[in-house]
Amino acid sequence: QMQLQESGPGLVKPSETLSLNCTVSGGSISSSSYYWGWIRQPPGRGLEWIGSIYYSGSAYYNPSLKSRVTLSADTSKNQFSLKLSSVTAADTAVYECARYEIGDRTFDLWGRGTPVTVSS
Amino acid sequence: EIVLTQTPATLPLSPGERATLSCRASQSVSSYLAWYQQKPGQAPRLLIYDASNRATGIPARFSGSGSGTDFTLTISSLEPEDFALYYCQQGTNWLTFGGGTKVEIK
Repeated sequence: QMQLQESGPGLVKPSETLSLNCTVSGGSISSSSYYWGWIRQPPGRGLEWIGSIYYSGSAYYNPSLKSRVTLSADTSKNQFSLKLSSVTAADTAVYECARYEIGDRTFDLWGRGTPVTVSS
Repeated sequence: EIVLTQTPATLPLSPGERATLSCRASQSVSSYLAWYQQKPGQAPRLLIYDASNRATGIPARFSGSGSGTDFTLTISSLEPEDFALYYCQQGTNWLTFGGGTKVEIK
């Protein structure tokens, strides 16, 4: 059964770059049926889509974050990654990776999420 | 950007009661509307896709309806494990989520 697991630093300093990886097990990211996405949830708030990437590298970003976000996919490691630059306290959130089913346009499988705090 | 507005923000009900949650889109999303359930400390779980189709393993007490701009998630008879946060999500124009409805025990 496919599983997704986020990894990366739990604490990032303001103005620095937040970097997270999502490792996929039990299946391949090189599937024509899925994109692979990042979603975040600030404390006490709702869900915000950050962006999604296809295994080939084609990516879509939330327009409100596009200038600061870079997604990448590494098929040899079966993982995809998020970089968010120039972070501020407003970027403090639980970051979740998820599988996006292209036909249904839904996130049908999620990782557990990893908390990231932006603080000096 | 398509804005999804969920009402009510909080829904106090008792086990066994019927829950009706609303999601309204700022413009038509056709039927590309999904519902998720989230419990504290857990990732969201997909309940409904394409407005009315239950995801794999989701009990029949969960049902979705609507199209265009107005959608409803109905839980026919609340079980103790159904008290949680519920989000809608559209996939027509970029991806956005609603603000959520918390179904809490009255």
